[in-house]
Amino acid sequence: EVQLLESGGGLVQPGGSLRLSCAASGFTFSSYAMNWVRQAPGKGLEWVSSISNIGYSTDYADSVKGRFTISRDNSKNTLYLQMNSLRADDTAVYYCAKEPNGYPPYNWFDSWGQGTLVTVSS
Amino acid sequence: DIQMTQSPSSLSASVGDRVTITCRASQSISTYLNWYQQKPGKAPKLLIYGASSLQTGVPSRFSGSGSGTDFTLTINSLQPEDFATYYCQQSYSTSVAFGGGTKVEIK
Repeated sequence: EVQLLESGGGLVQPGGSLRLSCAASGFTFSSYAMNWVRQAPGKGLEWVSSISNIGYSTDYADSVKGRFTISRDNSKNTLYLQMNSLRADDTAVYYCAKEPNGYPPYNWFDSWGQGTLVTVSS
Repeated sequence: DIQMTQSPSSLSASVGDRVTITCRASQSISTYLNWYQQKPGKAPKLLIYGASSLQTGVPSRFSGSGSGTDFTLTINSLQPEDFATYYCQQSYSTSVAFGGGTKVEIK
């Protein structure tokens, strides 16, 4: 059974940094592209970033480009999101999501974690 | 960037009803369209991929159709566990975009 477990969320001041992690199990992590998707309180879903199965290809939403960095450690079955220069509008639940393919990306998501809440506030 | 527009934003229906949700893309996306269900406090769940392919384990009362710019999610014989918010999502471009969501509520 695929399991994705996010961690690292919390309260951070505007301009601060946070690193999210997503621990994967139940599948061959290195074979699949991974993504981060966020959801602001009471709002819809917003794709944030993607990374190919071995990490050579990454992509970002315009809203986070230059501030967020996605990475993965296939030896640890873990996905990361480094978030810098955080703003109030980054406040959201952040989900990690698995794609059904490694590369090229299919850009849709067949398994999701339970999410971790990031709150940016002074 | 491709924009996705869902309608309606909410609807009220009764158990046993047939429900139809529409999603429109701002440009043609062939059949690169996926549907998700989200219940309060839970992660989204994939229902349909490639516009009409049912994800493993999803009940057959869910179906999807469409191509190009116009797509439909249909729920036949709505069940109590189907009351949720539904999102469409285009996977035509790497700049993934979701629709705004349709909340299906109990009448």
